[in-house]
Amino acid sequence: AQKVTQAQTEISVVEKEDVTLDCVYETRDTTYYLFWYKQPPSGELVFLIRRNSFDEQNEISGRYSWNFQKSTSSFNFTITASQVVDSAVYFCALSGPSGGYQKVTFGTGTKLQVIP
Amino acid sequence: DVKVTQSSRYLVKRTGEKVFLECVQDMDHENMFWYRQDPGLGLRLIYFSYDVKMKEKGDIPEGYSVSREKKERFSLILESASTNQTSMYLCASSPGTGFSDEQYFGPGTRLTVT
Repeated sequence: AQKVTQAQTEISVVEKEDVTLDCVYETRDTTYYLFWYKQPPSGELVFLIRRNSFDEQNEISGRYSWNFQKSTSSFNFTITASQVVDSAVYFCALSGPSGGYQKVTFGTGTKLQVIP
Repeated sequence: DVKVTQSSRYLVKRTGEKVFLECVQDMDHENMFWYRQDPGLGLRLIYFSYDVKMKEKGDIPEGYSVSREKKERFSLILESASTNQTSMYLCASSPGTGFSDEQYFGPGTRLTVT
């Protein structure tokens, strides 16, 4: 079975602080995909990144970076110099052949509040 | 830009009513999905469809059915609404390249069953 754990339910930071959102996954598959999505207060989830299991290189996109470590089954998300617009619920997700590639297992989400 | 629209943002129905939630996507995507989102539980897949008239159960299909008569439209049906189906319902679509595509989500329908 596939499982995604986001142990941090809510995080509050002051603007300009760095913040890391944790994601730990479980899967029997050797090939799989990991995702992060953002859900702002408006409600519509927005795709941020997809990573396949063979690519362990860290990714940076502006203030966002992702650290994928297969050894610890983690795919953590860091926001550098946080801004109020980063306030949202962030979901980590996983898919692979055992669940059907198009079926995605989501974590329970981490609510990030950035305080001005 | 991919656009996924849902027929209502807010809906209030009575117990026992038949409820239709409609979802339309405009990018010719193969796959469409229905999720429900509840506090502390994240997103849970109800049903998905990988082609017209094709459907597959997700993790929590009980009490729901779906219909996909046209590629762009995917409907979620609550045959007899119950209070435990009060939730946020999210529709999504993805291209269907054969591997795991990113999904594009609609704004959601907050359904209250009284």
